[in-house]
Amino acid sequence: GQSLEQPSEVTAVEGAIVQINCTYQTSGFYGLSWYQQHDGGAPTFLSYNALDGLEETGRFSSFLSRSDSYGYLLLQELQMKDSASYFCAFNDYKLSFGAGTTVTVRA
Amino acid sequence: DSGVTQTPKHLITATGQRVTLRCSPRSGDLSVYWYQQSLDQGLQFLIQYYNGEERAKGNILERFSAQQFPDLHSELNLSSLELGDSALYFCASSAGSRDAGELFFGEGSRLTVL
Repeated sequence: GQSLEQPSEVTAVEGAIVQINCTYQTSGFYGLSWYQQHDGGAPTFLSYNALDGLEETGRFSSFLSRSDSYGYLLLQELQMKDSASYFCAFNDYKLSFGAGTTVTVRA
Repeated sequence: DSGVTQTPKHLITATGQRVTLRCSPRSGDLSVYWYQQSLDQGLQFLIQYYNGEERAKGNILERFSAQQFPDLHSELNLSSLELGDSALYFCASSAGSRDAGELFFGEGSRLTVL
């Protein structure tokens, strides 16, 4: 079957670093994506890893290890506006989403 | 602004009724995906269309149907509505049929079934 596991909640203070881990199980896999969603809003694309390794986009980085069926999203220099839900999703020619991680940033 | 347009933004209806949600993809995108997001849940994939043809199907109920028209806009039809169908319905688009890594999402249609 298919599955995605990510933590349900993470809390951190402004300026901190947060890592959201994601493990997946699927028979068809072409890459791992990360999306941000503010309460009730549209999911917005953050990062995509098709190959193993680290992708860096500003304060956000994403990592993938296909052999371990594992990836993570790293949020650096946390800001209040980063409080949101973060979803990992694997690409099997559609996107299959995990349940999401709620990140709360405290002052 | 992702360039994906969904209407209506909000919809309130009664059990047993039928509604149609509409989606216009980004200019140039040929693929349209529909997702359902219930309260505090992840996004559940419903169905994908590419250039007018169904490409992939998820856990879409038989009461639900969709199509993509020649102008590439798509409609999701929900019938015999039940309370549990209350959710946010998102449409997303991408250029090709297999580049689902980066999808562009609309603002969603919030359906409330009373």
